[in-house]
Amino acid sequence: AQKITQTQPGMFVQEKEAVTLDCTYDTSDQSYGLFWYKQPSSGEMIFLIYQGSYDEQNATEGRYSLNFQKARKSANLVISASQLGDSAMYFCAMRERVGTGGFKTIFGAGTRLFVKA
Amino acid sequence: GAVVSQHPSWVICKSGTSVKIECRSLDFQATTMFWYRQFPKQSLMLMATSNEGSKATYEQGVEKDKFLINHASLTLSTLTVTSAHPEDSSFYICSARDIDGGTTEAFFGQGTRLTVV
Repeated sequence: AQKITQTQPGMFVQEKEAVTLDCTYDTSDQSYGLFWYKQPSSGEMIFLIYQGSYDEQNATEGRYSLNFQKARKSANLVISASQLGDSAMYFCAMRERVGTGGFKTIFGAGTRLFVKA
Repeated sequence: GAVVSQHPSWVICKSGTSVKIECRSLDFQATTMFWYRQFPKQSLMLMATSNEGSKATYEQGVEKDKFLINHASLTLSTLTVTSAHPEDSSFYICSARDIDGGTTEAFFGQGTRLTVV
């Protein structure tokens, strides 16, 4: 079963506008972490933002914010004031416990964001 | 911020030969390193989790004898693709978690593009 679902394969946004990238997850754990990464065409993975399952406040990092709705199991990424350099692939990921003391990170399929000038 | 260096960035090898990819944490100690594979236009697939001083834990479906992982020190893990074939051509990415990282971010290397001809 899909644990991380990103329903938007591709999205367009006008420069300077805000955009929301969707992510839903599935876990029976109470303790887990949610991440968003950016992968530009160069291939490297860039960490953007982290939300812990027990964090009451939505995480924010500069122009990035995570809209965490625990009951709905969603962790959408909001990018404000889009820039041309934001054009990239964006991955949502979840880290959950496996076994005793171990963790596993699962990635979504990704959303390709295109920022138009 | 923490830096993970992956070497080489790209490599072309002949079918049947072996290729070693290095992943180094430059300014922190990493008890755990992760190796991922990414097919074109697809998400990351976790191949194995590498713990310093012990055997790597491979994900289901990943051939241990083909993808040899060694995590000999707290700053270095290597992935060796043995007897490479064209279907092994892919983008390989490592990540490393700080010894005190807990549930927080693991830092990614820049990736290695392997082409087997």
